[in-house]
Amino acid sequence: AQTVTQSQPEMSVQEAETVTLSCTYDTSESDYYLFWYKQPPSRQMILVIRQEAYKQQNATENRFSVNFQKAAKSFSLKISDSQLGDAAMYFCAYRSAQGGANSKLTFGKGITLSVRP
Amino acid sequence: NAGVTQTPKFRVLKTGQSMTLLCAQDMNHEYMYWYRQDPGMGLRLIHYSVGEGTTAKGEVPDGYNVSRLKKQNFLLGLESAAPSQTSVYFCASSDRQARVMGETQYFGPGTRLLVL
Repeated sequence: AQTVTQSQPEMSVQEAETVTLSCTYDTSESDYYLFWYKQPPSRQMILVIRQEAYKQQNATENRFSVNFQKAAKSFSLKISDSQLGDAAMYFCAYRSAQGGANSKLTFGKGITLSVRP
Repeated sequence: NAGVTQTPKFRVLKTGQSMTLLCAQDMNHEYMYWYRQDPGMGLRLIHYSVGEGTTAKGEVPDGYNVSRLKKQNFLLGLESAAPSQTSVYFCASSDRQARVMGETQYFGPGTRLLVL
C-alpha cells in the first residue's frame, strides 16, 4: 500500500518570501501521479499543482512549483512571493496511474501554512 | 457547471440516528469517492465507486454504507451514528480516462457532521 508523509505539521513564512513544503511517499509502482491540494478556512479542497511520475520536468503553476525527486520519493512544493491568501492547510496526495480500484487518492496528514504580513 | 455539490452543508445528529449525505456531480465522471477529514489525520477514503451500480470499500468503511444508483449521484449513509463519526465529509469525482485530466479529483465543499 502507498503511504504519504508530511512530517512538518506547521510552517510560517513572511509575505513576499519563499517557502518550501516537504512531502515524501512510498510506493512500489513506477507510474503514478502526485498532487498538492490547498484547503483554506472555507474547507474547499483546491488543486494547486500535479506531477506525472513519467515526466522528468518539474511542474510549475505561476508562483507554485515542485521539486520531484523520483528516486528519493520526494515531492516538495515551493511557493514563491508568498501572499496572505496562501495561508491554508496544504495536502500532498498520491494516485496510482492504474484506473478502477487504484484510482483513489492517498493523502498526507497536511501542513498548516501561515503567512506573516 | 456546478461541479461537485454536497447536501447538507452541516448537520447535528444524536447517537443512534441515521442520515444520508448526498453527493452530485454534473461532469459525467465515472469515479466517485467519499472521504472523511479529521484533525491531524488528513483525508481518508471511506467508500468509492468506479461506475453506476458498483461500490467498494476504502480505508475506513465501518459504520457507513453507500449507493450509486445513478451515475451522477453517490450517497453515503450512516445507519446508526456514533460520536466517532463526527467529522467533515468530502465527496470527489474523477473521469475514467486517467491520462486525459482524469487523474484529477474534483472535490465538493464538504459536509460537517456533529454526532452528540
